[in-house]
Amino acid sequence: AQTVTQSQPEMSVQEAETVTLSCTYDTSESNYYLFWYKQPPSRQMILVIRQEAYKQQNATENRFSVNFQKAAKSFSLKISDSQLGDTAMYFCACSPQTSYDKVIFGPGTSLSVIP
Amino acid sequence: DAGVTQSPTHLIKTRGQQVTLRCSPKSGHDTVSWYQQALGQGPQFIFQYYEEEERQRGNFPDRFSGHQFPNYSSELNVNALLLGDSALYLCASSFGYVDNSPLHFGNGTRLTVT
Repeated sequence: AQTVTQSQPEMSVQEAETVTLSCTYDTSESNYYLFWYKQPPSRQMILVIRQEAYKQQNATENRFSVNFQKAAKSFSLKISDSQLGDTAMYFCACSPQTSYDKVIFGPGTSLSVIP
Repeated sequence: DAGVTQSPTHLIKTRGQQVTLRCSPKSGHDTVSWYQQALGQGPQFIFQYYEEEERQRGNFPDRFSGHQFPNYSSELNVNALLLGDSALYLCASSFGYVDNSPLHFGNGTRLTVT
């Protein structure tokens, strides 16, 4: 079984500043993927960044980067140069490599970017 | 290039009724998954369809059933609706079963059960 925990229900950040969202997970799988998804008010779930657990190098996508600590089962998301369009719910998620579409989501963190 | 489309956008039903939600996958995708997102929570996996068969299922009762058509579109059916079935239902598509192609989500159907 897999579980994903996000301990920060709400966060805020000033525009152009940096913010880090926390996530911890638990899984019995040896090979798995970790994700951060963004859900704006439009409700569409958008993939922000993906990390293969077997890769030690932290994934980056433009202003978004992760800090993947496999032994600690921690997977935090750093957003640099925050923009107003980053305001959304952010979900940390995990899926086993053998059941890729069976994604387990955390409860989410509501991020507000303040002008 | 059309993304994942879901219909209807909103739906109101009464307890005990049955409902059908529809999903058209992104062009080129052949696998469809359904998720239930209760208010204030993360989505929960319901099931996945590939080659017109249910391949994986989450912890949902048999009242939740689905279908995939030859054109890869899919339906989610819920029988004997309960108040607790009120949620946003998300459809996601991908290419290739057990492949690691990214999931693409639709905008969801908001179901309210009164």
